[in-house]
Amino acid sequence: SQTIHQWPATLVQPVGSPLSLECTVEGTSNPNLYWYRQAAGRGLQLLFYSVGIGQISSEVPQNLSASRPQDRQFILSSKKLLLSDSGFYLCAWTNGVGGYTFGSGTRLTVV
Amino acid sequence: GQQVMQIPQYQHVQEGEDFTTYCNSSTTLSNIQWYKQRPGGHPVFLIQLVKSGEVKKQKRLTFQFGEAKKNSSLHITATQTTDVGTYFCAGVSGNTPLVFGKGTRLSVIA
Repeated sequence: SQTIHQWPATLVQPVGSPLSLECTVEGTSNPNLYWYRQAAGRGLQLLFYSVGIGQISSEVPQNLSASRPQDRQFILSSKKLLLSDSGFYLCAWTNGVGGYTFGSGTRLTVV
Repeated sequence: GQQVMQIPQYQHVQEGEDFTTYCNSSTTLSNIQWYKQRPGGHPVFLIQLVKSGEVKKQKRLTFQFGEAKKNSSLHITATQTTDVGTYFCAGVSGNTPLVFGKGTRLSVIA
């Protein structure tokens, strides 16, 4: 069966520090991968998505970047975090048919 | 770009009462999906509707997709405390990724 792993679960980082969040999917190949951010009590904002290795589409220009170095690995990064980067970061995958499967998320607090 | 609006933002009900959340898209959708996010958790896929006028049921939950494929609703009959959470609709138009509504947060008072 397919599973999605996302870590860490929580993270507290100082302003100006770098960020790296990793997401991996098991049990499938060539998944579509997504990074969403959810501010407290708010909806889901699509940040990046990828339909294949090295293919990244950015939905919102901001202080973040994404990479897909392997078929089932999706990484969200920042060189210098801002206070406004705080939020709940969710990775998701789909095979293109049916719903998205979300990881358990990373709660990022920038202090 | 495509927008998905969802109302109400919050709903408080007594246990046993019914609950409905509504979703409207600015564009015609290929399909619409519904997700539930429990407090502190991540969104979990509930269902996908594809056909115009489609109605699907999951136990006490009834999902509808409008004839014009631009609106949808989720109705819960006789709410229970286990129904607490935020319900999101999300629409797909063409090959674009899902666009989520802002969600309806449901509270159930026992």
